[in-house]
Amino acid sequence: DTAVSQTPKYLVTQMGNDKSIKCEQNLGHDTMYWYKQDSKKFLKIMFSYNNKELIINETVPNRFSPKSPDKAHLNLHINSLELGDSAVYFCASSPGPGEAFFGQGTRLTVV
Amino acid sequence: GEDVEQSLFLSVREGDSSVINCTYTDSSSTYLYWYKQEPGAGLQLLTYIFSNMDMKQDQRLTVLLNKKDKHLSLRIADTQTGDSAIYFCAEPATGGFKTIFGAGTRLFVKA
Repeated sequence: DTAVSQTPKYLVTQMGNDKSIKCEQNLGHDTMYWYKQDSKKFLKIMFSYNNKELIINETVPNRFSPKSPDKAHLNLHINSLELGDSAVYFCASSPGPGEAFFGQGTRLTVV
Repeated sequence: GEDVEQSLFLSVREGDSSVINCTYTDSSSTYLYWYKQEPGAGLQLLTYIFSNMDMKQDQRLTVLLNKKDKHLSLRIADTQTGDSAIYFCAEPATGGFKTIFGAGTRLFVKA
């Protein structure tokens, strides 16, 4: 059973489109995250949720809107995609500070 | 603000030891972590050390912590080609709900 699963694994889309990435965790954790990893592999947190509530929004453009329908799911919707949004997006969940379980990532390519 | 720094590249021969170094800024961190990212995959928690420990050994992995200098290192004994990956040092941010990752050290193992 996959602990943190995100779909799709690959996403290729044109500039200006709107797309969503879904994430689910079956670990019973209260905290979930979205991270962005750029082409140099630098990892930057975007959002942190705890029990469906937004805790951290790291100055992410408001084209990015996370939604947590329940504490096992954290989806990411992106409007008006731009070339600079191309990256790998990781969902993660956490039982406590510092320890995180990551999904396999969604490689987003905007053309 | 909180920051975690590590060198970007390390190249070793198969069978040698690898030492990956990291410095961090938040001296109140209870735990410090090492994550491993293999190509095309998400980050996986490799090991961690409690802040009141100087050293932790786990099979081929040895973690050393120097709290005075805020320096953390990961030693991999008898490095194998399968150890080639990116290794991230990480600490929880103050207040929780976020993990600060270093830039990642790319370990190349030559056969």
